[in-house]
Amino acid sequence: EAGVVQSPRYKIIEKKQPVAFWCNPISGHNTLYWYRQNLGQGPELLIRYENEEAVDDSQLPKDRFSAERLKGVDSTLKIQPAELGDSAVYLCASSLAQGQNYGYTFGSGTRLTVV
Amino acid sequence: GNSVTQMEGPVTLSEEAFLTINCTYTATGYPSLFWYVQYPGEGLQLLLKATKADDKGSNKGFEATYRKETTSFHLEKGSVQVSDSAVYFCALSGSNYQLIWGAGTKLIIKP
Repeated sequence: EAGVVQSPRYKIIEKKQPVAFWCNPISGHNTLYWYRQNLGQGPELLIRYENEEAVDDSQLPKDRFSAERLKGVDSTLKIQPAELGDSAVYLCASSLAQGQNYGYTFGSGTRLTVV
Repeated sequence: GNSVTQMEGPVTLSEEAFLTINCTYTATGYPSLFWYVQYPGEGLQLLLKATKADDKGSNKGFEATYRKETTSFHLEKGSVQVSDSAVYFCALSGSNYQLIWGAGTKLIIKP
């Protein structure tokens, strides 16, 4: 079984430029999450999807961040314009269903560096 | 609100030593508890989980028991290897399904 696939693995951009990250979850996993992880810290949730619906986007900085999961499968996270403080690892995760007993499967992440 | 507290790292041990990484939590209701591991340059992997009090999660020689009376979920391994060097995260999932993460504990195993 393929895991959660993310691309690109690394991205370096200048501040004020746009950037997009892509995630393909495990087949059949209805719930998809985007997290941001700063160096030396735990992940922080940006947005959670149940199929194509964003059910929790309360932590997403909506002035510059956007996300979509149009067909309820793969998802894209965008930042426009990027700021120096956005440098982090962006992790995508999926789980079989929404429920507290389900562990998540994470992708390898995209390491973003804004210069 | 819900929260998770882990022991600060780094934790440095010699190969074959006994490992304990402490994790305590604060939560309403009956959360599920998880340990995730992050190897250098990689994403997070679920190591083990426990969904109710007194459950023991185990995987790859690691164990953790869900102790409701002490609100703890300490990670243990009897004999660590160099390949266990990684960052370990304790997390809980409550009724709102959101994972609450500890700050992570870096483990360094020396040969």
